[in-house]
Amino acid sequence: KAGVTQTPRYLIKTRGQQVTLSCSPISGHRSVSWYQQTPGQGLQFLFEYFSETQRNKGNFPGRFSGRQFSNSRSEMNVSTLELGDSALYLCASSLSTGRSTEAFFGQGTRLTVV
Amino acid sequence: AQKITQTQPGMFVQEKEAVTLDCTYDTSDPSYGLFWYKQPSSGEMIFLIYQGSYDQQNATEGRYSLNFQKARKSANLVISASQLGDSAMYFCAMRELGGGSNYKLTFGKGTLLTVNP
Repeated sequence: KAGVTQTPRYLIKTRGQQVTLSCSPISGHRSVSWYQQTPGQGLQFLFEYFSETQRNKGNFPGRFSGRQFSNSRSEMNVSTLELGDSALYLCASSLSTGRSTEAFFGQGTRLTVV
Repeated sequence: AQKITQTQPGMFVQEKEAVTLDCTYDTSDPSYGLFWYKQPSSGEMIFLIYQGSYDQQNATEGRYSLNFQKARKSANLVISASQLGDSAMYFCAMRELGGGSNYKLTFGKGTLLTVNP
C-alpha cells in the first residue's frame, strides 16, 4: 500500500513569489491535513480537508490556502512568499472515522524562501 | 485551548536501556486522543502509539508503551530496550474529539532522543 506522497521534496523560491505544494493521500483516505514545521514555532496546524471541503483552519494568514480534489489529492498554495515561510510542510492523511485513527504523514516539502 | 507540553528538549540513553519521554496536556474536552510520533532526520513523521481518553488500559505497541495518568494529564512514552535506530525527535500530540470528526493534531515541541552505543 503506497504511503502519503508529497511533491516536490525541496523548493527554493524568492520573496514575493507564490508556491503550490501537492499531497497524495493513502488510497481510501478522505481526510488530508497540512502542518508547518519551523525550528521556532514547531509543528502548527494549517488546515484540514475532507471530501473537497475545508473542515478546519489554523491561525495562518490568508496567503495560505488549499484545496482538495475529488480523488482526495490536496494542494496547498502560499502567495506572496515571505522569508518566514521557510519551513518543512507536512501533509497527513487519515480515514477520519472512529476515534483511534492515526494520521499518516508524508516526508514533507522543504521550502526555502530567499 | 488545547496544549501539549514536552519539558525535555533532549534526552540521552544507553543502548538496551529503557527511557521515558514526558508529555503533559491540557484540554477541556472530555473526549480526546493522545499520539506519539517519531521524526527521524529524514523528516517523515512515524506513528508510534495511541491512547484514547476513555481507554481503561495503557497502550502498548512492541517496545513502546504509554504511561497514561488521566488525573495528572500526563501521557509519557516509555521505550524499552533502546536501539541506535531510536535516535530521533519524538512528538506528543493530541486530537480533541468532542467537536466532531474533523482531524486536527496539536503537537508539543518535541524531545530529541540520542541513543549511545
